[in-house]
Amino acid sequence: DTGVSQNPRHKITKRGQNVTFRCDPISEHNRLYWYRQTLGQGPEFLTYFQNEAQLEKSRLLSDRFSAERPKGSFSTLEIQRTEQGDSAMYLCASSLTGANPSIGPQHFGDGTRLSIL
Amino acid sequence: AQSVTQPDIHITVSEGASLELRCNYSYGATPYLFWYVQSPGQGLQLLLKYFSGDTLVQGIKGFEAEFKRSQSSFNLRKPSVHWSDAAEYFCAVDLDAGNMLTFGGGTRLMVKP
Repeated sequence: DTGVSQNPRHKITKRGQNVTFRCDPISEHNRLYWYRQTLGQGPEFLTYFQNEAQLEKSRLLSDRFSAERPKGSFSTLEIQRTEQGDSAMYLCASSLTGANPSIGPQHFGDGTRLSIL
Repeated sequence: AQSVTQPDIHITVSEGASLELRCNYSYGATPYLFWYVQSPGQGLQLLLKYFSGDTLVQGIKGFEAEFKRSQSSFNLRKPSVHWSDAAEYFCAVDLDAGNMLTFGGGTRLMVKP
């Protein structure tokens, strides 16, 4: 079990630039989640995938945000035209979810910290 | 409104003392319940989970939590705190069987020598 891997760990960019983050889930996990965490707060849900299908998106996920999981393995989260308010830690999690009640808990990566100058 | 509340933003305990971190939720049904721990600059590590059955659940690192339906609470406990337990602790609920987690605001634990 190599855990959930996120790259890069840190990203500093100027306002208005586009950024893309990558998440590699635990290999047998079928669900992949993205969360955003601002300083001093708990993580907030952004979106999740079951295999390659994006099943739910939060209202927090504006039109500038897009997430993909093209082959049901790794996922990318892109933010276009970044704004100051996008500065946060972006966390990825994965889980193995099958027939109820076999719900696997979510396992988190170490996150990508985004700083907008 | 549906929410998860961790009433204590900061807690300081002496090493070796007991610990209880509070978590309350306001949902109509009983959700799936979790406690996670986060060290600075790191992701979240699962401490324990409650899905059903025995309301006292054991987790890693000597932690346990008790689900009390009548109080809508899921408090985290440890009988003797170690300096390495200093971190931020998050309570989370899953209402919909794996769709998303809703987190409380967290409790920052500091441990005095």
